[in-house]
Amino acid sequence: AQKITQTQPGMFVQEKEAVTLDCTYDTSDQSYGLFWYKQPSSGEMIFLIYQGSYDEQNATEGRYSLNFQKARKSANLVISASQLGDSAMYFCAMREVISSGSARQLTFGSGTQLTVLP
Amino acid sequence: SQTIHQWPATLVQPVGSPLSLECTVEGTSNPNLYWYRQAAGRGLQLLFYSVGIGQISSEVPQNLSASRPQDRQFILSSKKLLLSDSGFYLCACHRVEGLAFESYEQYFGPGTRLTVT
Repeated sequence: AQKITQTQPGMFVQEKEAVTLDCTYDTSDQSYGLFWYKQPSSGEMIFLIYQGSYDEQNATEGRYSLNFQKARKSANLVISASQLGDSAMYFCAMREVISSGSARQLTFGSGTQLTVLP
Repeated sequence: SQTIHQWPATLVQPVGSPLSLECTVEGTSNPNLYWYRQAAGRGLQLLFYSVGIGQISSEVPQNLSASRPQDRQFILSSKKLLLSDSGFYLCACHRVEGLAFESYEQYFGPGTRLTVT
């Protein structure tokens, strides 16, 4: 079963508008972490924002905010005031324990291609 | 913060040839290291991880192998490449020092784009 679901293969947004990228997850763990990464055409994975499962406040990092709804198991990314440079693939990921100890695996969704229109 | 170097950036290799991709990390000690592969237009798949020198765990059975000869060096290898090995290979680092390491993000290197012909 898919653990991270991103239902929007592609999204378009007008420059300076806000956009929400959807992410739902599935886990039976009590403690987990949710991440959003941006991957421009160069291929590099750029960390954007993190939300811990026990964090009561929604995470924010500059123009990025994470709308965390634990009961619904959703962790949507909100980008405010979109810029042309925001055009990229966006991945939602969940960190899970691989085995006892410190190893952690990031399970990624299939991604959303965001295009910002001038 | 950590800096991850990967080389080569791109590689074109024939089927059956060997492979060696290298990843080195700066800015942290005793990190957890990971190799991921990304097929075209897809998310990332974890291949190997290492929690210390000489300690390698495999998540996906395949003709690839990994080694960690030094604390901040992680190598992905193959004796004979298959067409299905084509993809974008990313090395990642996860800092584990401190009590709150659960919040530390995984940093990714710039990646190696491998095409097997």
